[in-house]
Amino acid sequence: AQSVSQHNHHVILSEAASLELGCNYSYGGTVNLFWYVQYPGQHLQLLLKYFSGDPLVKGIKGFEAEFIKSKFSFNLRKPSVQWSDTAEYFCAVNARNAGNMLTFGGGTRLMVKP
Amino acid sequence: SQTIHQWPATLVQPVGSPLSLECTVEGTSNPNLYWYRQAAGRGLQLLFYSVGIGQISSEVPQNLSASRPQDRQFILSSKKLLLSDSGFYLCASNPGVPNSPLHFGNGTRLTVT
Repeated sequence: AQSVSQHNHHVILSEAASLELGCNYSYGGTVNLFWYVQYPGQHLQLLLKYFSGDPLVKGIKGFEAEFIKSKFSFNLRKPSVQWSDTAEYFCAVNARNAGNMLTFGGGTRLMVKP
Repeated sequence: SQTIHQWPATLVQPVGSPLSLECTVEGTSNPNLYWYRQAAGRGLQLLFYSVGIGQISSEVPQNLSASRPQDRQFILSSKKLLLSDSGFYLCASNPGVPNSPLHFGNGTRLTVT
């Protein structure tokens, strides 16, 4: 069975700092990869996704993530965070032969200090 | 685009009482539907999913059950709540095509006392 690990549970940054949130998965087959974000008081929404092609994917609000197959990783990055990026971020994996079933990581709560 | 309605937004129930959380989807037909639970300090855990009316798959053994009486209606139930059922429950939906991302409802925060 697949699993997803997000090693940083809580991250606190100052505005303009760079961000990198780790995500590692365990599954030997082909996967689709996602990052979801949940802003305070709002519902979960898709930030970016990787299916195939260029392993560096761009998402909304200046976020990007890089799929490194050899490391089973899909880390989320942003060069300069803003206070409005304060949210909880979830990495998710969908094995290609598992239909649309997503496995989520434990989430990383990001707080950006103004 | 699809919209997911969940209610109630918050719920406080005593141990041993029944539970019924409802989720309806607009803007799509024949969606895949999911119930997730987000427990404090943990990630999202898939509880149930459904690919069609009356078709329910359970991912984890538990005190809860799910039903899909209509194409765009998904209900999460329990006959007798346990303290461990407390958490944040999210309904999600995506079209029944490969690789389509999930859309989530606003969730129901359940506190069992």
